[in-house]
Amino acid sequence: GNSVTQMEGPVTLSEEAFLTINCTYTATGYPSLFWYVQYPGEGLQLLLKATKADDKGSNKGFEATYRKETTSFHLEKGSVQVSDSAVYFCALRLIQGAQKLVFGQGTRLTINP
Amino acid sequence: KAGVTQTPRYLIKTRGQQVTLSCSPISGHRSVSWYQQTPGQGLQFLFEYFSETQRNKGNFPGRFSGRQFSNSRSEMNVSTLELGDSALYLCASSLAGARQETQYFGPGTRLLVL
Repeated sequence: GNSVTQMEGPVTLSEEAFLTINCTYTATGYPSLFWYVQYPGEGLQLLLKATKADDKGSNKGFEATYRKETTSFHLEKGSVQVSDSAVYFCALRLIQGAQKLVFGQGTRLTINP
Repeated sequence: KAGVTQTPRYLIKTRGQQVTLSCSPISGHRSVSWYQQTPGQGLQFLFEYFSETQRNKGNFPGRFSGRQFSNSRSEMNVSTLELGDSALYLCASSLAGARQETQYFGPGTRLLVL
């Protein structure tokens, strides 16, 4: 079946550190890939997306590249801020015409000043 | 443009009761999906509605049901509530449901079953 695996959290970094959150997927077909972020007490916000192999999604300093050969979509940011503290979810959507998102388990990120 | 709105934001019910949650999508969006978020199971897809028809359904018991109205607003209903139904219920909308489209999420309804 289709699934998403994220690196175990929680992840704690100091401000201005480099961030990588690993995400790999298993899918039959060619999924679209997404990173969503959830701040405390809120719903999910789309951070970035990529819809085909080798696409790079980017937003607010975050980047992720759709790697079909390694079935990965790792999230990176060069210099994190305290305001980046949140839970990050990697997700895929596969079926044309259906809106089912398959999520990873989420990675809680805490940035210390 | 207003985002996805969900009502109520918080709800407390007791076992055996039923509950109805409401979702208003972004104006012009015709696809509405529902997800359940719990600490143990994470985010799980419940169902999707498009043009008043259920188009896709997740692996939840029949106690979970939904519907969509002609203005694209959607409701989900949970009957005979169980303690394990305590969760954050998220609604998401998109234009027409294409694979590459972005789903926009509401703030969620937090349901506590006592």
